[in-house]
Amino acid sequence: GAVVSQHPSRVICKSGTSVKIECRSLDFQATTMFWYRQFPKQSLMLMATSNEGSKATYEQGVEKDKFLINHASLTLSTLTVTSAHPEDSSFYICSAPTSGGAGGELFFGEGSRLTVL
Amino acid sequence: EDQVTQSPEALRLQEGESSSLNCSYTVSGLRGLFWYRQDPGKGPEFLFTLYSAGEEKEKERLKATLTKKESFLHITAPKPEDSATYLCALIIQGAQKLVFGQGTRLTINP
Repeated sequence: GAVVSQHPSRVICKSGTSVKIECRSLDFQATTMFWYRQFPKQSLMLMATSNEGSKATYEQGVEKDKFLINHASLTLSTLTVTSAHPEDSSFYICSAPTSGGAGGELFFGEGSRLTVL
Repeated sequence: EDQVTQSPEALRLQEGESSSLNCSYTVSGLRGLFWYRQDPGKGPEFLFTLYSAGEEKEKERLKATLTKKESFLHITAPKPEDSATYLCALIIQGAQKLVFGQGTRLTINP
């Protein structure tokens, strides 16, 4: 099946620094990718929808200046957490739909665990 | 407001002990309901998509069913490797994004 790859899988950074997370679709093109955040023992919460060639769409309550999303190509979307603080520590997961965009064809990356000291 | 509720929050079974997980929903228009499995520290793994009431799908020891108000994930004679968190998610008419339930943390003891 389709594969979505995330990098890095784990990152530890100091408070105030910025961290970039990459999401790649390995064997299909994705004009749209989704970024989710998951806190311990909680479910996935959609942060934003990344659109190739245009601005990302952010969910209510998500700061677009803090979580910068760039969808530079049909196979790559990046999430940059700017000036990270301990409360940004979380598990970040991206997903990408294959053709049609139906949820059954929505594949997830392995996730990136961010720890901000 | 569109809502997805999963129950129980956690379930512990003995190996071979069959049971069901529930996902109930109240949405304005359902486009599809999805079940995912998530292992600790990993992204969700797709299991099933259900589109209409009465639909059923099976995969190994798992069977998913759908009514107009809820979905069940039946697990038959589970094994320890079935231990994971099972997530239910919906796509609502007119939207592309998934709305996830809180998940059920399933533990199968040998």
